[in-house]
Amino acid sequence: QKEVEQNSGPLSVPEGAIASLNCTYSDRGSQSFFWYRQYSGKSPELIMFIYSNGDKEDGRFTAQLNKASQYVSLLIRDSQPSDSATYLCAGSGGSYIPTFGRGTSLIVHP
Amino acid sequence: GAGVSQSPSNKVTEKGKDVELRCDPISGHTALYWYRQSLGQGLEFLIYFQGNSAPDKSGLPSDRFSAERTGGSVSTLTIQRTQQEDSAVYLCASSLGPGLAGVEQYFGPGTRLTVT
Repeated sequence: QKEVEQNSGPLSVPEGAIASLNCTYSDRGSQSFFWYRQYSGKSPELIMFIYSNGDKEDGRFTAQLNKASQYVSLLIRDSQPSDSATYLCAGSGGSYIPTFGRGTSLIVHP
Repeated sequence: GAGVSQSPSNKVTEKGKDVELRCDPISGHTALYWYRQSLGQGLEFLIYFQGNSAPDKSGLPSDRFSAERTGGSVSTLTIQRTQQEDSAVYLCASSLGPGLAGVEQYFGPGTRLTVT
């Protein structure tokens, strides 16, 4: 059974710090990985995707993928209170139906 | 209006009634997904449409649930004889289609279904 695991949190960080969100996956056939941000009462919003081993940076966000360790992470630099949300990790292989983790709640406090 | 749209945004229905939820995907997106999210829970996959291929219905929780996609665009999710446990937010997402980049999903605002 394909699984994507995330710590439910909450992860609490002070404003300006780096928030590190982690995700592990069980399906070695997974090729594409995605991070979604979901504010309370809203629908998920795609913020990052990564296909290749290594790091991918986009503004304050860096996604990291290590296929050997089956590990994906999202780093948020200079965290802001507006980053407070639930972050969903998802992985997809040949079926094109992503498997979602249950999400990590992030709280950035002033 | 380039995003995924869903209607209605809220639906309150009595137990035993049928409901229809609508999703209009992003133009040009061949893949369409339905998910369900209960309060404080993760996303539960329901059904996946890709172009004109037969849909993947592996996530539908019972035969009371069905969905169709007409003309490769608009989709309708139908729940017959609704039960209280069907209460949730129903989310629709679309993506470009097969390929590494094709699974980047864009979600609609959801339909909040409440069964009384």
